[in-house]
Amino acid sequence: AQRVTQPEKLLSVFKGAPVELKCNYSYSGSPELFWYVQYSRQRLQLLLRHISRESIKGFTADLNKGETSFHLKKPFAQEEDSAMYYCALSGPSGSRLTFGEGTQLTVNP
Amino acid sequence: DAGVIQSPRHEVTEMGQEVTLRCKPISGHNSLFWYRQTMMRGLELLIYFNNNVPIDDSGMPEDRFSAKMPNASFSTLKIQPSEPRDSAVYFCASNAGTSRNEQFFGPGTRLTVL
Repeated sequence: AQRVTQPEKLLSVFKGAPVELKCNYSYSGSPELFWYVQYSRQRLQLLLRHISRESIKGFTADLNKGETSFHLKKPFAQEEDSAMYYCALSGPSGSRLTFGEGTQLTVNP
Repeated sequence: DAGVIQSPRHEVTEMGQEVTLRCKPISGHNSLFWYRQTMMRGLELLIYFNNNVPIDDSGMPEDRFSAKMPNASFSTLKIQPSEPRDSAVYFCASNAGTSRNEQFFGPGTRLTVL
């Protein structure tokens, strides 16, 4: 069975501080991992995926298979980063995504 | 393309009434997903279709919930009878079923059952 865990429901940091949103997963095969973001009053959208190895809006996430983690990091948080962040896992192409419970990030001025 | 379209955007109804939520996926996408979002449980997959065929409905909470996809451009999620605990935001998403696996979400329907 596939499972995604985000241990923090709420995370609050000050502008300019580093931020890390934790994500752990369990999956028996080779998963694809994603981070989705939902800004206030907007639809959920893809932020980044592990196979792209890219940085989006200053965010990066590294897949650590040993620790089964896919933590989202940004060295200097901005107020506009305040949003709900969901970690998600997928198996084979076209199959379902399993989402974590979500972490509400608030970046204070 | 306008993206995934959902209607209505807001629905307020009384307990016991039937509720129908609608979704139009992105043209050309062959997978469609219905999710429910609540503060307590986050984002839960209710059911998903591939090529209009229901593949996994294990997330549908009860028999009061049903979903259909009569063609590639339309799907409905029905709750009958509705209960206050069904109050949530219901999202529809679609993807092309390729190895990219990115799902594109609609704006959601905020359902309030009084």
